[in-house]
Amino acid sequence: AQRVTQPEKLLSVFKGAPVELKCNYSYSGSPELFWYVQYSRQRLQLLLRHISRESIKGFTADLNKGETSFHLKKPFAQEEDSAMYYCALKGDVLTGGGNKLTFGTGTQLKVEL
Amino acid sequence: DTAVSQTPKYLVTQMGNDKSIKCEQNLGHDTMYWYKQDSKKFLKIMFSYNNKELIINETVPNRFSPKSPDKAHLNLHINSLELGDSAVYFCASSQTPGGAGNTIYFGEGSWLTVV
Repeated sequence: AQRVTQPEKLLSVFKGAPVELKCNYSYSGSPELFWYVQYSRQRLQLLLRHISRESIKGFTADLNKGETSFHLKKPFAQEEDSAMYYCALKGDVLTGGGNKLTFGTGTQLKVEL
Repeated sequence: DTAVSQTPKYLVTQMGNDKSIKCEQNLGHDTMYWYKQDSKKFLKIMFSYNNKELIINETVPNRFSPKSPDKAHLNLHINSLELGDSAVYFCASSQTPGGAGNTIYFGEGSWLTVV
């Protein structure tokens, strides 16, 4: 079974402070991990995915298979980063998990001035 | 150009009514999905279609019936609406059901309120 855990419902940081949104997963095959962001009353947007190893809006995330984690990080938070962040896992086709995203429960990031 | 579009964006209706939410994607994708986001912001997949064929049907009441007239459209029909159906329903699409690097794109969501 695919499972994604985001332990923090709410994370509040000051502008300019570092941000780390935690994500742990459970999956027996080879997962793909994603971070999606949802700004207030808007659609879910893909922020980044582990296979791209990219940095978007200053955010990075590294897949740590040993710790089964995919934490989202940004060195200096900006006010416009305030949003809901979802970690998501897509399983591999061999185990039948390639057809859907399993989401974590989300972390609301609030950046304060 | 809106990639995945849903209508209506907001819907307020009474218990017991039947309603539909429509979704269209212009990305040329083969696979479409319906996700539900409840009041606690939990997101969960409901259905997935690949080329008009149902491939995922999670534990969803029979009152929910998806219909895919073609691979660019996936509509969600809900019968006998209940208070607990109040949620945001997101349509999404991807190129193929599986495969590495296959990104899922979401619509703007349809806010359903049952009173």
